[in-house]
Amino acid sequence: AQSVAQPEDQVNVAEGNPLTVKCTYSVSGNPYLFWYVQYPNRGLQFLLKYITGDNLVKGSYGFEAEFNKSQTSFHLKKPSALVSDSALYFCAGLTSGGSYIPTFGRGTSLIVHP
Amino acid sequence: EAGVTQFPSHSVIEKGQTVTLRCDPISGHDNLYWYRRVMGKEIKFLLHFVKESKQDESGMPNNRFLAERTGGTYSTLKVQPAELEDSGVYFCASSQQTGRTDTQYFGPGTRLTVL
Repeated sequence: AQSVAQPEDQVNVAEGNPLTVKCTYSVSGNPYLFWYVQYPNRGLQFLLKYITGDNLVKGSYGFEAEFNKSQTSFHLKKPSALVSDSALYFCAGLTSGGSYIPTFGRGTSLIVHP
Repeated sequence: EAGVTQFPSHSVIEKGQTVTLRCDPISGHDNLYWYRRVMGKEIKFLLHFVKESKQDESGMPNNRFLAERTGGTYSTLKVQPAELEDSGVYFCASSQQTGRTDTQYFGPGTRLTVL
C-alpha cells in the first residue's frame, strides 16, 4: 500500500522568509514523488518530481524539494517566499512497482504575509 | 498549447438531479484521468481512460457515476442521480504516456455542489 501525508493543514510565513511545506510518504518500493500547486480558481499545476538520482530536485517558480529516504520525506522548500506563492500545495506519490496512479496528500494551504 | 479544460467550472444542483461534467485533455494525450476532492480531503482517483477504453475504474464510487470517452478525445462524467455526498471538486488530468514517471496535467476542476 502507498500513502502520502501532509501533516500541516496550513503554513504561514512572512514574505521574504524561507518556506517549507512538509510531506512524508509510505511506500513499499522505490518512491516516485510529485508536488503540485493549486492557485485560487486554477487547476493543479505541476511543480516538480523525484524519480531517481539527485535528492535535491529543482522545480518551477524557484521551488525545490529534498528527497530524504531515511526520514521518508519529500519536503517542498523555497528560500524566499513571495505573497504570490500563497496557494494550496499537494504532495503525491507512487511506488515503482505498484499502481501507476498517484496517491495524493490532503493538501497544505500556504499563506505568505506581506 | 492549450491545457486541460473542464466545463462547467461550477455546478449547483439539487439532490436527485443529473449533472454531466466535461473534460477536454491536451491534444495528443491518450491518457485521461478523473479525480475528485471532497472538501479538505485528499484528491482521490476515480478512473483512467487510454484513448476510448477504460483502463482502470476502480475508484468510481458507485453505479451512479458514468464516464465516457467516445472517440478518444473529450470525456464526460455523469452523476445520476446526484447525492449530497457527491459534492466536491472534480478534476480531470491527461498525460501523453501511461507510466509512473509521466507527468499528469490537470484542469481547473469543476466544483459540484449538491443541495
